[in-house]
Amino acid sequence: IVLTQSPGTLSLSPGEGATLTCRASETIRSNYLAWYQQRPGQAPRLLISAASNRANGIPDRFTGSGSGTDFTLTISRLEPEDFAVYFCQQYGGSPTFGQGTKVDI
Amino acid sequence: QVQLVESGGGLVRPGGSLRLSCAASGFKFEDYYMSWVRQSPGKGLEWISYIRFSGDTVSYAESVKGRFTLSRDNGKRSLLLQMNSLRVDDTAVYYCARSLFRVAGVYFDHWGQGTPVTVSS
Repeated sequence: IVLTQSPGTLSLSPGEGATLTCRASETIRSNYLAWYQQRPGQAPRLLISAASNRANGIPDRFTGSGSGTDFTLTISRLEPEDFAVYFCQQYGGSPTFGQGTKVDI
Repeated sequence: QVQLVESGGGLVRPGGSLRLSCAASGFKFEDYYMSWVRQSPGKGLEWISYIRFSGDTVSYAESVKGRFTLSRDNGKRSLLLQMNSLRVDDTAVYYCARSLFRVAGVYFDHWGQGTPVTVSS
């Protein structure tokens, strides 16, 4: 399954909201879609699993939604530490990742 | 807390071999699937292999099948990736990741800091 993320880069200011999209080339079984955050020089960190389940310790300003082939990660009010690259990943079959969306100041 | 520490990366010539290790702590190692995921500027994030709890089942991406071998030692809480016939496009940072299996695939709830592998002549 090919995952396409948009936009490639999102330029925003702290306090603004962000909407990131992940589109799959075919329906993802049971909405097995995860989102990760990667800050510069760090490993990815799990934010969301099964499209909408926040991982342990993830602030509630991060919300995942969607089903089938279209999924969204919403960040309600950007904090300085949220400026990073975000990846989606499907695990309905052999795992694949999207190419990432960079959230830039 | 969960800790995953990779080692074994480095510079190797095309056709050569390398063995990566991942030392796990802070959780019951044998209760989890484990995986390797790599990241390169050109290809982004790519899952390459996962292994089941006891090591009886291993799955590989097509890009590494037949060249890489994943194993685990639950007594030593370690994960091993033997990489043979390395190619230039295997150049990447390799991450060890604790994995959760769902029906047909895995996702990754904890990651190590990664070990860089460069394949170049």
